Amino acid sequence: NAGVTQTPKFQVLKTGQSMTLQCAQDMNHEYMSWYRQDPGMGLRLIHYSVGAGITDQGEVPNGYNVSRSTTEDFPLRLLSAAPSQTSVYFCASRGTGLAGGNEQFFGPGTRLTVL
Amino acid sequence: RKEVEQDPGPFNVPEGATVAFNCTYSNSASQSFFWYRQDCRKEPKLLMSVYSSGNEDGRFTAQLNRASQYISLLIRDSKLSDSATYLCVVNLDSWGKLQFGAGTQVVVTP
Repeated sequence: NAGVTQTPKFQVLKTGQSMTLQCAQDMNHEYMSWYRQDPGMGLRLIHYSVGAGITDQGEVPNGYNVSRSTTEDFPLRLLSAAPSQTSVYFCASRGTGLAGGNEQFFGPGTRLTVL
Repeated sequence: RKEVEQDPGPFNVPEGATVAFNCTYSNSASQSFFWYRQDCRKEPKLLMSVYSSGNEDGRFTAQLNRASQYISLLIRDSKLSDSATYLCVVNLDSWGKLQFGAGTQVVVTP
């Protein structure tokens, strides 16, 4: 099992550009989520999905879109990049089950810089 | 006020010593609690879950105090490899929506 994979590992964008961060998992997990991590802030939830075709907003969704057409893939789209979106982005997945009983697995992260 | 608060540290700990630190959370309806470990420029990984009765995993002991809304982590006989940032994590709902603290940095020195 590859677990949770993310591409690219690093990306530099100019203000106004758009791009898609890719995330895939091979553990057949229903729940997937995207976080951003900024210094001193902890991880903040951007969007999440509880299954194919179902997505919802997290704490900081503005400027980002997601879709979940398959169980495996959960791409994050930046619509028009802004310097405030410079951050490290983590994708995560977990299986369903008893609340709090399942470990959340993280991808290796994408380090994004917006100039 | 942050939902989950941690002392950012760093806690500088001699090898072999014991270190302990806390995390407070504001949502009294929080369902479950975890400690994650994050190494520099890496993804977070689950260290241990935190149970109401307290639990141990080798040199690591976690405690939960629901009345005062805090959890704690104690590391005994610290190793150099314990140097990392420890994230306090609170599960907000049955789907596993997690709230993360900003982390406590631990530096173990020879």
